[in-house]
Amino acid sequence: GAVVSQHPSRVICKSGTSVKIECRSLDFQATTMFWYRQFPKQSLMLMATSNEGSKATYEQGVEKDKFLINHASLTLSTLTVTSAHPEDSSFYICSANKGGSFQETQYFGPGTRLLVL
Amino acid sequence: AQSVTQLGSHVSVSEGALVLLRCNYSSSVPPYLFWYVQYPNQGLQLLLKYTTGATLVKGINGFEAEFKKSETSFHLTKPSAHMSDAAEYFCAVSFTGGGNKLTFGTGTQLKVEL
Repeated sequence: GAVVSQHPSRVICKSGTSVKIECRSLDFQATTMFWYRQFPKQSLMLMATSNEGSKATYEQGVEKDKFLINHASLTLSTLTVTSAHPEDSSFYICSANKGGSFQETQYFGPGTRLLVL
Repeated sequence: AQSVTQLGSHVSVSEGALVLLRCNYSSSVPPYLFWYVQYPNQGLQLLLKYTTGATLVKGINGFEAEFKKSETSFHLTKPSAHMSDAAEYFCAVSFTGGGNKLTFGTGTQLKVEL
């Protein structure tokens, strides 16, 4: 199989605090992980591509200093929302590729619901 | 640049009826096409994908899709809808050299009625 987990599944925080979301590939090594953001009733928007051992590549319009991504190992990537504000409230989903082939399927985590008060 | 258009943000069918969810893409290079399903408050699950070869692709849960290059389409079908099919469906495209990045359509909410 190809299982991707996320932790936490749901988090509520106060405005101005930072929140860390973990994405783990449980039964495979992921050379590449992706972070998406999904607003209610909308599609997924790619935020950044995370490669193990290197800096993440951010999509246009995504603030790299606000959304810190660390891909420390082949099974773990973290997204830290720094100084969170209510407009950062969203559903954050990660995905992972098993390998570098362009045909590789992305396996998605169950998502993390962030609510900033 | 590539893009995906899903016609119809909401589709409603009767249980047992044909399901047809439309997806058109725009890509300057040969695309790789995917359909994902999302249940409430969950991540995405791959239904099927087209990369190369046979243009009619069969996926899980009885779904299939046909890649039609001349129509730039990749519509998703299922002969007989089941109540458990009610969910959000996303069409997505990537291409070789694109770093496996997916571009998603806006999604179609499928409702199945008795």
